[in-house]
Amino acid sequence: AQSVTQLGSHVSVSEGALVLLRCNYSSSVPPYLFWYVQYPNQGLQLLLKYTTGATLVKGINGFEAEFKKSETSFHLTKPSAHMSDAAEYFCAVSRGQGGKLIFGQGTELSVKP
Amino acid sequence: DSGVTQTPKHLITATGQRVTLRCSPRSGDLSVYWYQQSLDQGLQFLIQYYNGEERAKGNILERFSAQQFPDLHSELNLSSLELGDSALYFCASSKSGGSSYNEQFFGPGTRLTVL
Repeated sequence: AQSVTQLGSHVSVSEGALVLLRCNYSSSVPPYLFWYVQYPNQGLQLLLKYTTGATLVKGINGFEAEFKKSETSFHLTKPSAHMSDAAEYFCAVSRGQGGKLIFGQGTELSVKP
Repeated sequence: DSGVTQTPKHLITATGQRVTLRCSPRSGDLSVYWYQQSLDQGLQFLIQYYNGEERAKGNILERFSAQQFPDLHSELNLSSLELGDSALYFCASSKSGGSSYNEQFFGPGTRLTVL
């Protein structure tokens, strides 16, 4: 069975600091991996995805993530945090019939001025 | 705007009641997925339909059911509601329904409150 673990339910950074949100997955087959962002009272928006090919993937709003098979990780980073990055971030894995998404518990990112 | 619409935005009802949540997928998308987001369970996949047929099932209670109509909109029916059913229900749509990658686009959600 597939599962996703996000380390830290809440991360706080200063504006301009590095953002690092951790995600580890468990999958018996090569997974597809995703990061979604959820702003308050809104739906989920896809930040970036890994399916095949290059293991370093770039997404919207300056975010990127690296697929490390040996570590079963897909951590999300951004070099310099902006106040507008404050939101909840979800890591998800997909494989199998229908491509249903299995989500981690989410990490709430706070950005201090 | 993802192009996926959900109605209603908010729903307040009492225990024991039945409600219907509606989802219209993006134009051209054949697959519809339903997810439940609650404080204790997080984001969970409920069920998927592809071109009118059930394709995959997740942690969906027997009191819940769904269908996809010929015009591809979908409805999620929740009956005999309990306090624990209070959650945000998301619909997502994608072009295909196979096991290969297909990006899911999420609607804004329906917030259900059971009193």
